[in-house]
Amino acid sequence: EAQVTQNPRYLITVTGKKLTVTCSQNMNHEYMSWYRQDPGLGLRQIYYSMNVEVTDKGDVPEGYKVSRKEKRNFPLILESPSPNQTSLYFCASSPRGSGGSDTQYFGPGTRLTVL
Amino acid sequence: TQLLEQSPQFLSIQEGENLTVYCNSSSVFSSLQWYRQEPGEGPVLLVTVVTGGEVKKLKRLTFQFGDARKDSSLHITAAQPGDTGLYLCAGNTGTASKLTFGTGTRLQVTL
Repeated sequence: EAQVTQNPRYLITVTGKKLTVTCSQNMNHEYMSWYRQDPGLGLRQIYYSMNVEVTDKGDVPEGYKVSRKEKRNFPLILESPSPNQTSLYFCASSPRGSGGSDTQYFGPGTRLTVL
Repeated sequence: TQLLEQSPQFLSIQEGENLTVYCNSSSVFSSLQWYRQEPGEGPVLLVTVVTGGEVKKLKRLTFQFGDARKDSSLHITAAQPGDTGLYLCAGNTGTASKLTFGTGTRLQVTL
């Protein structure tokens, strides 16, 4: 089944404890992206990648890191999480590098709470 | 900076009613998409519009892209409980990978 998977789905952690949220897609898509969703703010793009080893900042990249060593994986890393990073996170992928006008396929989301 | 404003933010209607959701911006978009998101899931694409003035229909849903490509609307005819969800518009300004999402409209349709 074609899909975007994220792990974990739920995570409660404490301030300063490094964490990684994994994202994997099995559709051979070139473009992948991370968003966070907060009430009243919609989805805001954190980072995106147009292909392997090509990543760039979105609207809210502060406090996050990403890497794209393989086409299928795009992990989101929080080196030192803070409470303002408590949010619902979505990974998405789309077939071509120009993800903006392509259909984006979203993962099921990761709900992160930072205490 | 929030480029896309949606209205209304919340809408609660009864089955069979019609409704319209608006997505407005001061920016011009090369394309605009509408997504629906259900609780516990990621957004799912409903439609993409690319031409100013374009109208697309998806069963009881009608999508329109403004002539100046700065705004869009979603009209639902005879709403059903299955239409309940969060509706998000998302615009691409032409920068290859930049997709900006609106603030969302949460729709609830009751029997």
